[in-house]
Amino acid sequence: NAGVTQTPKFRILKIGQSMTLQCAQDMNHNYMYWYRQDPGMGLKLIYYSVGAGITDKGEVPNGYNVSRSTTEDFPLRLELAAPSQTSVYFCASTGQGNQPQHFGDGTRLSIL
Amino acid sequence: DQQVKQNSPSLSVQEGRISILNCDYTNSMFDYFLWYKKYPAEGPTFLISISSIKDKNEDGRFTVFLNKSAKHLSLHIVPSQPGDSAVYFCAASGSGAGSYQLTFGKGTKLSVIP
Repeated sequence: NAGVTQTPKFRILKIGQSMTLQCAQDMNHNYMYWYRQDPGMGLKLIYYSVGAGITDKGEVPNGYNVSRSTTEDFPLRLELAAPSQTSVYFCASTGQGNQPQHFGDGTRLSIL
Repeated sequence: DQQVKQNSPSLSVQEGRISILNCDYTNSMFDYFLWYKKYPAEGPTFLISISSIKDKNEDGRFTVFLNKSAKHLSLHIVPSQPGDSAVYFCAASGSGAGSYQLTFGKGTKLSVIP
């Protein structure tokens, strides 16, 4: 059971570079989410999707973009990396909205 | 403005004793509450949840209590084991359409001392 798979696990970017954080789930879940966790803080929602082709902003969407072309994949795009985006990023999914979300192991991103 | 608050950053408990982790919320639209456990370098793992129509939910050594009038919930772990040492996050959501977003507290680091 792979569950929610995030790649890469670690990445260092230079200011102004762009990258895509990958997230894939094999549970046929409709709902997918991206969170960021800063040191000593709780997780904050960046974007979420309720199904293929449907995405919406969360609490902290600025500087990020998402797409959902398939049920399985929900990539997160950083276009112009800034030091404030240094964080640990978690992807999650659930089959129904009001059910526990299953999380990947995260991508640790440093922007220097 | 923190809508979900975990006011204790850390808690130490002897093995075999009870661990009590607390969480307060301010948004009266929240009606579904969850606890997640997180080990270093791993993603959060779902532990237990409770709907606002209940005031208690139990799963093995873990019990969650909800006091809606006080907007307070707590997680009890009995007996505590060294493997329970982790960061525990309280999370809340509303069940209205489109509002399944989870709002997380900052977490409480539990250390269970052998």
